[in-house]
Amino acid sequence: DAKTTQPPSMDCAEGRAANLPCNHSTISGNEYVYWYRQIHSQGPQYIIHGLKNNETNEMASLIITEDRKSSTLILPHATLRDTAVYYCIVRVGGWGNNDMRFGAGTRLTVKP
Amino acid sequence: DAGVIQSPRHEVTEMGQEVTLRCKPISGHDYLFWYRQTMMRGLELLIYFNNNVPIDDSGMPEDRFSAKMPNASFSTLKIQPSEPRDSAVYFCASSRGYSGNTIYFGEGSWLTVV
Repeated sequence: DAKTTQPPSMDCAEGRAANLPCNHSTISGNEYVYWYRQIHSQGPQYIIHGLKNNETNEMASLIITEDRKSSTLILPHATLRDTAVYYCIVRVGGWGNNDMRFGAGTRLTVKP
Repeated sequence: DAGVIQSPRHEVTEMGQEVTLRCKPISGHDYLFWYRQTMMRGLELLIYFNNNVPIDDSGMPEDRFSAKMPNASFSTLKIQPSEPRDSAVYFCASSRGYSGNTIYFGEGSWLTVV
């Protein structure tokens, strides 16, 4: 059973912000939202995660709605190297609940 | 800091042969995961270990697949006998188990069974 829903594909112009949505309407109070990406032929790469507050790091920003039923990953200035499949995952953190199950993700294509 | 190390990176084998994939997790990580990725099924969790003990192997497709973790720095995924439908990229990943932890992936082992 899929815990998250993402659009299968999106395009973004180089230099513009890429906003990738994710719906997780059945998220539980103790579940985190994680984002990973996978560039062709490489292993998935961690981007960012959050529980309920918005988060920002050197790669991206994560905006989580107040009801936590959806979130948006923002790449502020997309480059061609950001072309990848982006996975949104919800899971419980902590001991004994450490499995990470991936859905289909969103294939982001950054165009010049 | 060395990341998750997998070997071999590429393997081509004949149907019926035994295949062994190897993984060295990041030092200090106590969780290890094996994933399989195909075009048809995407990225699937096969099995994961905590402190060398298998916790959930419900994703292992069938008895031909087995995984072991004899110590904290080494794990194997074995397929015996291999079949063409086992052709996929197999990823190993590791993490340190605490709230908010992340998982770090290796570069994958590309398996082709002919």
